[in-house]
Amino acid sequence: AQTVTQSQPEMSVQEAETVTLSCTYDTSESDYYLFWYKQPPSRQMILVIRQEAYKQQNATENRFSVNFQKAAKSFSLKISDSQLGDAAMYFCAYRILNYGQNFVFGPGTRLSVLP
Amino acid sequence: GAVVSQHPSWVICKSGTSVKIECRSLDFQATTMFWYRQFPKQSLMLMATSNEGSKATYEQGVEKDKFLINHASLTLSTLTVTSAHPEDSSFYICSALPGQTYEQYFGPGTRLTVT
Repeated sequence: AQTVTQSQPEMSVQEAETVTLSCTYDTSESDYYLFWYKQPPSRQMILVIRQEAYKQQNATENRFSVNFQKAAKSFSLKISDSQLGDAAMYFCAYRILNYGQNFVFGPGTRLSVLP
Repeated sequence: GAVVSQHPSWVICKSGTSVKIECRSLDFQATTMFWYRQFPKQSLMLMATSNEGSKATYEQGVEKDKFLINHASLTLSTLTVTSAHPEDSSFYICSALPGQTYEQYFGPGTRLTVT
């Protein structure tokens, strides 16, 4: 079965500090995309960052970066210089590279940012 | 770009009635739309995949006669909850994929309360 695990139901970080959210996944496919989504209190899902599995270089988007370890099937998200607006639920997800295939979501990690 | 709207954002209906939720891609054509259901403090649960011009594909355990999905055009998919009951109360989210792409764009969600 294709699954995504986020082992940290809740995390907290001090404002301006760095936090890493973990994600592991299980798939037998070799070509897929990985995503981190943010869901703030408004509940609008927002794409934070994506990674193509065939790329070895870790994706970076401003204060957000990932540590992608394909062999270990690990895809962690690092948030640097945390801001109060980063407080949200964060979902890790992947989709295999066969159009028509669904996105598989993890259970989420609730991130609190302390002032 | 890539904006998805949902209407209504919030609806209250009486038990036994039906309610329709619309999902529109405003600035792109979406051959595929997903419908998700989200319970409080939980992840997104895929209900069905909607492809324009064809019947929706429902996930196991989702009653197709209760949750009617119609993808009549490349910019509109509708979810109708028929004979709603209080246990159908939830947050429903749609997403749309522009053509043959790997990324989905989410609507803002619809909160359904059945009394």
